[in-house]
Amino acid sequence: DTAVSQTPKYLVTQMGNDKSIKCEQNLGHDTMYWYKQDSKKFLKIMFSYNNKELIINETVPNRFSPKSPDKAHLNLHINSLELGDSAVYFCASSPDSLYGYTFGSGTRLTVV
Amino acid sequence: AQKITQTQPGMFVQEKEAVTLDCTYDTSDPSYGLFWYKQPSSGEMIFLIYQGSYDQQNATEGRYSLNFQKARKSANLVISASQLGDSAMYFCAMRGNKAAGNKLTFGGGTRVLVKP
Repeated sequence: DTAVSQTPKYLVTQMGNDKSIKCEQNLGHDTMYWYKQDSKKFLKIMFSYNNKELIINETVPNRFSPKSPDKAHLNLHINSLELGDSAVYFCASSPDSLYGYTFGSGTRLTVV
Repeated sequence: AQKITQTQPGMFVQEKEAVTLDCTYDTSDPSYGLFWYKQPSSGEMIFLIYQGSYDQQNATEGRYSLNFQKARKSANLVISASQLGDSAMYFCAMRGNKAAGNKLTFGGGTRVLVKP
């Protein structure tokens, strides 16, 4: 039973395409997140949702649109992909308490 | 604003020896959590250890211990008896409270290579 699962694990696509990454958690957590890890391994938050409500939107281009149909799912849709979008995208979830933060296995996006 | 600093970009450690990974943080929140994650070459983020700002004792999890010095705002990770499988990137992270969106702020990471 994977706690936070995201698909696909690898995504190779051409510039200009639109793609989606899906994330699901079975931990009953209230908050879900998308993080981006760049080529220098730096991790930074992109979005967070709490019970389907957008809480954090960290100066991410409008081409990135998160969608949370329910509190167990948070998907990331990217329009008009650019070379600079190549990165590893991690989904995560957490309860409201300070402890307990679980990451998915990551999606390596390569834009060619 | 929260900030995490890891000053060691990379380090070598001999197998079976202990290694300390440095982490300093900055926050004005009285309540926060500190995490260490391991990222092996396979890419997943593996949770290692957690320290709450109000915890009186330093956290320990098997071979991992966290040297928490609140006044100095440091949360160093100690790995005892290093193994070859400990070779990985290690990230220190701080979590703010719900008002801050519960987000994790990460340091730049330290790459550890364990030598046989």
